[in-house]
Amino acid sequence: DQQVKQNSPSLSVQEGRISILNCDYTNSMFDYFLWYKKYPAEGPTFLISISSIKDKNEDGRFTVFLNKSAKHLSLHIVPSQPGDSAVYFCAASAGSTLGRLYFGRGTQLTVWP
Amino acid sequence: DTGVSQNPRHKITKRGQNVTFRCDPISEHNRLYWYRQTLGQGPEFLTYFQNEAQLEKSRLLSDRFSAERPKGSFSTLEIQRTEQGDSAMYLCASSLGRAAEAFFGQGTRLTVV
Repeated sequence: DQQVKQNSPSLSVQEGRISILNCDYTNSMFDYFLWYKKYPAEGPTFLISISSIKDKNEDGRFTVFLNKSAKHLSLHIVPSQPGDSAVYFCAASAGSTLGRLYFGRGTQLTVWP
Repeated sequence: DTGVSQNPRHKITKRGQNVTFRCDPISEHNRLYWYRQTLGQGPEFLTYFQNEAQLEKSRLLSDRFSAERPKGSFSTLEIQRTEQGDSAMYLCASSLGRAAEAFFGQGTRLTVV
């Protein structure tokens, strides 16, 4: 059962424009959400996170928005750069599960010049 | 390099053989996780250690899988009697505190032929 869903397997954006990656979750116990970025042949790299007590967190070009009522979060990248081309994974954790992160299947972002 | 280190990076083995992977976490991190990733999927949780104690195991971790973390330092993941379905990328991650913002290694890619 996929508790974290990324329904868009790919996204293509022109350099300089905004990239919006979406993620939905089903488990209302999730209280912490993360985005990881992954290049081929490398492990996932932590990008940005948000606690369920917030609805927005910003770090440079990256902003994550959380809509708890809709069980939806999104990652905005502005402006997009070719180096942002990678697979982006949404992940979630719950205080009760301590060690476990639940990941979506990922979205391949391609930023073209 | 003070990141999470995994060895070997690649392993090809014949079906039925045993394999062992090693993970060296970031030195001050007390939490260590193993995940498995197959093509087109996000990482799936396998098991979690806090110091030397194995606190959680996924149902994905069959009896053929065993993980250890002696003295709360490095960890090993052993797969006995490998099957073709075990072919995947095995990822190790570590964190200081909860699972959020775990740092991943580059992974060990296992191919069972």
